[in-house]
Formats: sequence, structure tokens, C-alpha cells
Amino acid sequence: DAKTTQPNSMESNEEEPVHLPCNHSTISGTDYIHWYRQLPSQGPEYVIHGLTSNVNNRMASLAIAEDRKSSTLILHRATLRDAAVYYCILRVGPSGSQGNLIFGKGTKLSVKP
Amino acid sequence: DTGVSQDPRHKITKRGQNVTFRCDPISEHNRLYWYRQTLGQGPEFLTYFQNEAQLEKSRLLSDRFSAERPKGSFSTLEIQRTEQGDSAMYLCASTRTSGGTGELFFGEGSRLTVL
Repeated sequence: DAKTTQPNSMESNEEEPVHLPCNHSTISGTDYIHWYRQLPSQGPEYVIHGLTSNVNNRMASLAIAEDRKSSTLILHRATLRDAAVYYCILRVGPSGSQGNLIFGKGTKLSVKP
Repeated sequence: DTGVSQDPRHKITKRGQNVTFRCDPISEHNRLYWYRQTLGQGPEFLTYFQNEAQLEKSRLLSDRFSAERPKGSFSTLEIQRTEQGDSAMYLCASTRTSGGTGELFFGEGSRLTVL
């Protein structure tokens, strides 16, 4: 499985945008980029995923580099509830739905009031 | 849709005892996953089922671990002769392989402490 590299931790101020980077230089053409987050004492939850084009949903935006070797999860206005560990994961399959998710250590995001 | 349910939420046991965890996935989700998570680490994949068939097992799943999904609905994860190194959060997730985004829905986990 292709690997991802994320910073161990990041800090943000409340109500400011947050850009969480992820490097995946060995990504293959069929790998989808998935983001999950894990709030304290909870199981992970899906945030967003994409293949080539930038994606937006109600939780976040995903910006994917043209060469697909990196991506950035964007939280437009961080809230205290966004403090969590964010995982960037590559997942194979035509719709990203095949196989399992391999988690790394993720980025621990702290949000200051 | 009541989400993925796991039971028990917490289990304390003595080394050498057997423990069993149960996972009830979201109804009509045909795929079910088990993960293990230790403090400060991301979840580690253990195994997954498509309906009642166990399709993949991680090498982390030693002979003391067994998982079943007998009718393609709920699943159980049994650990025999527990060791202190088995202390972890055991997470279950489910998804459907058609008609959705493939996102995994996780339960809140079952925390195991082996004394």
C-alpha cells in the first residue's frame, strides 16, 4: 500500500482556516485520497475523499496537487470541536470502496480559543 | 439508522482469560471491519468480512484471535488466553460496497484492559 506522510501535530486558532498537509509521493493512479478524523474517545469518522479534482463538502475541502503527490485538507473556520487527530489515507479501487483503510499516526490538531 | 454499536464498551480481565466483543453494523451494510488501536497510534487493521465471508486477515490476528460473522449481520471478535499486550481499543466499522461513497462508519469501540 502506498504510504502517506503527515506532520505529527498542528495548532490553530478558533475561527481561523486550517490547512492540513499530506504527502503521498508513491500514489498510484487508482488510489483515492481519503481523510478521516478521530475526536477524543470516539471512533474515526469520515471527512472527505477525492481522486484528482478538488472536492468540497459541508465539513471541509480537499485540495489535490496536479501531480497527486500531495493533498491538503482545509477546514475553513476551525472550531473547538475540530480538535482531533486527522488521518490521510490512500485507498485503492475504482470508487475508493475496495479493500481496507490503512491508518498512519495522523496529525493531531489543537484549536485554541 | 442507529449507527455501529459495540458491546461491551469496557472490559477488564485477567491475563489468560477469554474475552468476546460484539459489533452490530449499520443495517444493510455488507462489509464489516475490525481494527485495534493502542494509545497514541492510529487504528490497525485486523480483519474484514463481506457478508459472512472473512475476506482478509492481518498478520496481527494471531491464532488467539478469531472473528466471525455467522449470518452476515453482527460480528464477534474473540481473544483467547489474553495477554497484557492485548490491552487496546477494539474498533468495528461497517460500509456498503455499492450505492455509496465507500466511507467506513465506526463504532465507539470496546476498550480492553488485561491485568
